[in-house]
Amino acid sequence: AQSVAQPEDQVNVAEGNPLTVKCTYSVSGNPYLFWYVQYPNRGLQFLLKYITGDNLVKGSYGFEAEFNKSQTSFHLKKPSALVSDSALYFCAVRDPSGAGSYQLTFGKGTKLSVIP
Amino acid sequence: NAGVTQTPKFQVLKTGQSMTLQCAQDMNHNSMYWYRQDPGMGLRLIYYSASEGTTDKGEVPNGYNVSRLNKREFSLRLESAAPSQTSVYFCASSVPRANTGELFFGEGSRLTVL
Repeated sequence: AQSVAQPEDQVNVAEGNPLTVKCTYSVSGNPYLFWYVQYPNRGLQFLLKYITGDNLVKGSYGFEAEFNKSQTSFHLKKPSALVSDSALYFCAVRDPSGAGSYQLTFGKGTKLSVIP
Repeated sequence: NAGVTQTPKFQVLKTGQSMTLQCAQDMNHNSMYWYRQDPGMGLRLIYYSASEGTTDKGEVPNGYNVSRLNKREFSLRLESAAPSQTSVYFCASSVPRANTGELFFGEGSRLTVL
């Protein structure tokens, strides 16, 4: 079975400082990994993904994430946080080789607050 | 381009009542999904449809039924609503697994069961 852990319910960061939102995963095969963002009263929006290749992936709004296979992690990062980055962030994993290969499993979410 | 459209956006039911949540996508995607979102629980998959004509259970299917009406539409039915089904429901769609599995979400349907 595949699973995702987001160890921090909330992350606070000052505007202009770098931010990191942590994610670790567990799958039996090679993972497909995703980050989504949710603004209040909205649906989830795709930010970035890791499928294969370069371990550092870049996505929307200046976000990036680093895939680390040995640590089974996929942390989301941004060099300089904006107040508008304040939102709920979800990490998700998919095992394309498994019986449930259509299923995307989400973490519980991390609330990011960027303080002016 | 509307993307994924869900109706209704809000609904209040009494225990035991039934209702259907509607979802339609205009991106010609093969796969469609229904998730529920509860505080502190993230998103949990209720049912999914890998392609037109097929449906499968997800993590939390009890108390729900689905219909993949055609390639565009995927509905979720609560036959006898319970307070535990109070939640925000999201429909999503994606291209087949040969691609990346990136999901496109609707805006959500907020359901309250009294």
